[in-house]
Amino acid sequence: AQSVTQLGSHVSVSEGALVLLRCNYSSSVPPYLFWYVQYPNQGLQLLLKYTSAATLVKGINGFEAEFKKSETSFHLTKPSAHMSDAAEYFCAVSAPNTGTASKLTFGTGTRLQVTL
Amino acid sequence: GAGVSQSPRYKVAKRGQDVALRCDPISGHVSLFWYQQALGQGPEFLTYFQNEAQLDKSGLPSDRFFAERPEGSVSTLKIQRTQQEDSAVYLCASSPLLTSAGTQYFGPGTRLLVL
Repeated sequence: AQSVTQLGSHVSVSEGALVLLRCNYSSSVPPYLFWYVQYPNQGLQLLLKYTSAATLVKGINGFEAEFKKSETSFHLTKPSAHMSDAAEYFCAVSAPNTGTASKLTFGTGTRLQVTL
Repeated sequence: GAGVSQSPRYKVAKRGQDVALRCDPISGHVSLFWYQQALGQGPEFLTYFQNEAQLDKSGLPSDRFFAERPEGSVSTLKIQRTQQEDSAVYLCASSPLLTSAGTQYFGPGTRLLVL
């Protein structure tokens, strides 16, 4: 079974500062990993995903994440926070190469606050 | 193009009532998922359809929960004899692929409140 742990349920950064949201996974094989963002009263939107190609993955809105097998991590970063980045962020994992679509297992989420 | 749509967006039910939640996936998407998101938590998997076939229903919390996708497009999640613990946001997601690498596209969810 796979699982993810998101360290820090709330993160606050100043506008223009580095954003770092942490995600660690547990899996017997290297999984597929995803970051989703959720704005209030909206569904989840994919930011980026790792599916065993390049370990440094670039996503939308200037976000990127690096898959580090040795650390079982997939932390999300953005060099400069913008007010519009304030939202809930979820890390998720799925089993690779199942031959069919597979469920996502989500972390508990990190709420990002951006202050002036 | 149109994304995943869900209806109703909000539903208030009295304990013991039956409810039906609808999901319209993106046209042509073969994979469809239902998730339950409790307040302050991440979504949790309920069930998965590949076309009209329900391939995984391991996440359904009890036999009061039932899902169907009879023509491989629209899906309905039905909850019988609702309980207060069923209060949550129910999210539907669809994917065009039959692999676990495929992106799941989420609808806005149905917020269910059971009184």
